[in-house]
Amino acid sequence: GENVEQHPSTLSVQEGDSAVIKCTYSDSASNYFPWYKQELGKRPQLIIDIRSNVGEKKDQRIAVTLNKTAKHFSLHITETQPEDSAVYFCAASIPPGKSTFGDGTTLTVKP
Amino acid sequence: SQTIHQWPATLVQPVGSPLSLECTVEGTSNPNLYWYRQAAGRGLQLLFYSVGIGQISSEVPQNLSASRPQDRQFILSSKKLLLSDSGFYLCAWSRVSFETEAFFGQGTRLTVV
Repeated sequence: GENVEQHPSTLSVQEGDSAVIKCTYSDSASNYFPWYKQELGKRPQLIIDIRSNVGEKKDQRIAVTLNKTAKHFSLHITETQPEDSAVYFCAASIPPGKSTFGDGTTLTVKP
Repeated sequence: SQTIHQWPATLVQPVGSPLSLECTVEGTSNPNLYWYRQAAGRGLQLLFYSVGIGQISSEVPQNLSASRPQDRQFILSSKKLLLSDSGFYLCAWSRVSFETEAFFGQGTRLTVV
């Protein structure tokens, strides 16, 4: 089955700096790669996603890149703010919608 | 708009007792449905997923079972809980197309004592 590895497990940055989280996957059949943000005690919520026919996608301060050949994808957050502090999960999805999640990255943005 | 309801929010159960967690989705039809478990400080482990009524796929061998008696209802059950069943359980749904996000319920914090 699919295996998703996520690094780093914890990340601490100063407000205004950039944060990068990386994930690798094993199953070449995976075609959809969402990123979720989970605040303490709350449900995960989608922040950005990318499909296999796209190499990069950007939404304001958040961007995701995908390298299908190398089977890795990354989340980039620029100009970090304290409210960006949360746990971030990557996932790789194969038909019919089965997603395998990484173990998560705890991001702390220091004011 | 679509909404997902999951209950209860918290549950404390003794070892050996049965379990039933329920999840319902509103505002959509024929959704894909999922049960995930999240251990403390860990990622989301897919337990079961369903693409239709009565169609359940189990991802990991365990002490739990799932059922989908109606199109938008997904139930997680156990006949006898183990201590290792403690965790945060999340129900989720997605549209039939696999290239779509999962929408999560509020989660159930289960503590087996």
